[in-house]
Amino acid sequence: KAGVTQTPRYLIKTRGQQVTLSCSPISGHRSVSWYQQTPGQGLQFLFEYFSETQRNKGNFPGRFSGRQFSNSRSEMNVSTLELGDSALYLCASSLSGQAGANVLTFGAGSRLTVL
Amino acid sequence: GDSVTQMEGPVTLSEEAFLTINCTYTATGYPSLFWYVQYPGEGLQLLLKATKADDKGSNKGFEATYRKETTSFHLEKGSVQVSDSAVYFCALNGNYGQNFVFGPGTRLSVLP
Repeated sequence: KAGVTQTPRYLIKTRGQQVTLSCSPISGHRSVSWYQQTPGQGLQFLFEYFSETQRNKGNFPGRFSGRQFSNSRSEMNVSTLELGDSALYLCASSLSGQAGANVLTFGAGSRLTVL
Repeated sequence: GDSVTQMEGPVTLSEEAFLTINCTYTATGYPSLFWYVQYPGEGLQLLLKATKADDKGSNKGFEATYRKETTSFHLEKGSVQVSDSAVYFCALNGNYGQNFVFGPGTRLSVLP
């Protein structure tokens, strides 16, 4: 059973550019969540998508957006990149969401460096 | 809101030493509790979980017991190995559709 796949694994951008990251969840999983991980802030929740609808959103500016397709694959986009956006972006999928005993399965992450 | 507090470390131990990483939480209702582990260059992996009070989660020699009276979920292992060197995250998940809440992570280094 394939795991959660994130692409690209590494990327370098410059300030002001935009970036799109992709996440393919485990087959059958309908929920995809995105997290930003930095040494200073730890793991911070960005948003969760379920059946193509954003169901939950963290406290990030509008430059951070996402979407989910009918096959449950998800993308997140960051526009007008800032140096502080340098981070490991983690995607996690689950069968039906984040409530209760549902387990999140994480991908290996996309490491973004903004110069 | 819900929160998770854990010792941030780093924790450095010799091989075969006993490990405890403390985790306490604040949450409404009866959350599910988890420990995730992150090895260098990888995403997080589920290590163990417990879904109700007094449940014990266990995996790969690691154990944690859901203590409702002390709102704790401490991670223990009787004899650590060099391969256990990683960052360990305590997390909770409420029952009302909220997102997961993660602790800050504890970096463990095990020396041969």
